[in-house]
Amino acid sequence: SQQGEEDPQALSIQEGENATMNCSYKTSINNLQWYRQNSGRGLVHLILIRSNEREKHSGRLRVTLDTSKKSSSLLITASRAADTASYFCATRGGYQKVTFGIGTKLQVIP
Amino acid sequence: DVKVTQSSRYLVKRTGEKVFLECVQDMDHENMFWYRQDPGLGLRLIYFSYDVKMKEKGDIPEGYSVSREKKERFSLILESASTNQTSMYLCASSFKWTGGLNEQFFGPGTRLTVL
Repeated sequence: SQQGEEDPQALSIQEGENATMNCSYKTSINNLQWYRQNSGRGLVHLILIRSNEREKHSGRLRVTLDTSKKSSSLLITASRAADTASYFCATRGGYQKVTFGIGTKLQVIP
Repeated sequence: DVKVTQSSRYLVKRTGEKVFLECVQDMDHENMFWYRQDPGLGLRLIYFSYDVKMKEKGDIPEGYSVSREKKERFSLILESASTNQTSMYLCASSFKWTGGLNEQFFGPGTRLTVL
């Protein structure tokens, strides 16, 4: 199975609600990253959290990391229609390699 | 503004053709990557390179080869295209890691259809 696995695989919410997605990983990490992908486009880096951090904020994004459980969560507060996208976590997959999960497909309904 | 460009957004080829996908970055990154993305499978690493003329196999290298003659350019080659190589191909680049993994910058993707 994949190093980074997001959960749920699909999420549909109303505009203004919060969206939470989770990522589990298997090996030790130095840091974990979250990316967003708009439909049919490349991925865009959102936020990086280091292994010695428990929580990080960037605008409406909040990321938590629990290294004891090998899991991370991404919270998007007050979601907007423009947040509709797929979200991926990324972890180290070997020397200079990155492993991405399958992603969570978020739909924000106006 | 940092940029990773891919030679084509859409490409249609026939089975058996040799296909070249080009990727160029202007950020002086050491690392470059080729992924393919399929529904339900996420991003899978095909090949990557951490230096000029260096290449490493990823998770699914079969049926592909790569070339990195210059630092800014990383080419993916399908020696003899097959229908199961119909996919979205994404190129990415990053600085070499020294502590933890660095942010990857992605190109817009090439949607390849093999008939």
